[in-house]
Amino acid sequence: QSALTQPVSVSGSPGQSITLSCAGSGGDIGAYNYVSWYQQHPGRAPTLMIYEVTKRPSWVSNRFSGSKSGNTASLTISGLRAEDEADYYCCSYTLDNDVVFGGGTKLTVL
Amino acid sequence: QVQLVESGGGFVNPGGSLRLSCAASAFTFSGHYMTWVRQAPGKGLEWISYISSSGRLTYYADSVKGRFTIFRDNVKNSLYLEMNSLRAEDTAIYYCGRSISYGAFDIWGQGTMVTVSS
Repeated sequence: QSALTQPVSVSGSPGQSITLSCAGSGGDIGAYNYVSWYQQHPGRAPTLMIYEVTKRPSWVSNRFSGSKSGNTASLTISGLRAEDEADYYCCSYTLDNDVVFGGGTKLTVL
Repeated sequence: QVQLVESGGGFVNPGGSLRLSCAASAFTFSGHYMTWVRQAPGKGLEWISYISSSGRLTYYADSVKGRFTIFRDNVKNSLYLEMNSLRAEDTAIYYCGRSISYGAFDIWGQGTMVTVSS
């Protein structure tokens, strides 16, 4: 159950597009289309932003989109806003019927 | 509204036990897999367990296997986590979550803090 690999921090300016990466293996991200992304603001519970690689819950803006290529998943945020500043975690179902999270990326909006 | 409310956290000595509860409301609890996820102070999210909608299937992270037990009561609309042989590294906020797909948790509780310390 090794954690997925995410960059520790990413920054962008308002209005920009940024992409957060999440590297896994053939036993997790590469095995299924069960990758999800969570946003977490300080002191708050996580919020589901993307699931099954590309699906968006009804409360999530279409500025957020997900994708996957091989063993790597990505979350793209377009038209960056101040309120997007948060920690982002990727998550994948695994061949062992487990769930694994990434270490998290801190997004700073400059 | 649809919500999950955890309870049962607190201070416990190493080697001790604690039972966490998660009360669900305003949705068909028996129709969903449920999960527990924890977050150590200043650290990232760690999945620790999930349970099928009937309660017959359970899965655990290696870090808690053999020490923690997840179970549910679909009559009381409640999820539980029985934690034994607690260690300092189990200190964390524990969140329960509703699953809508594998690894996809759309409703989260506010979390309950567990501190393991002598």
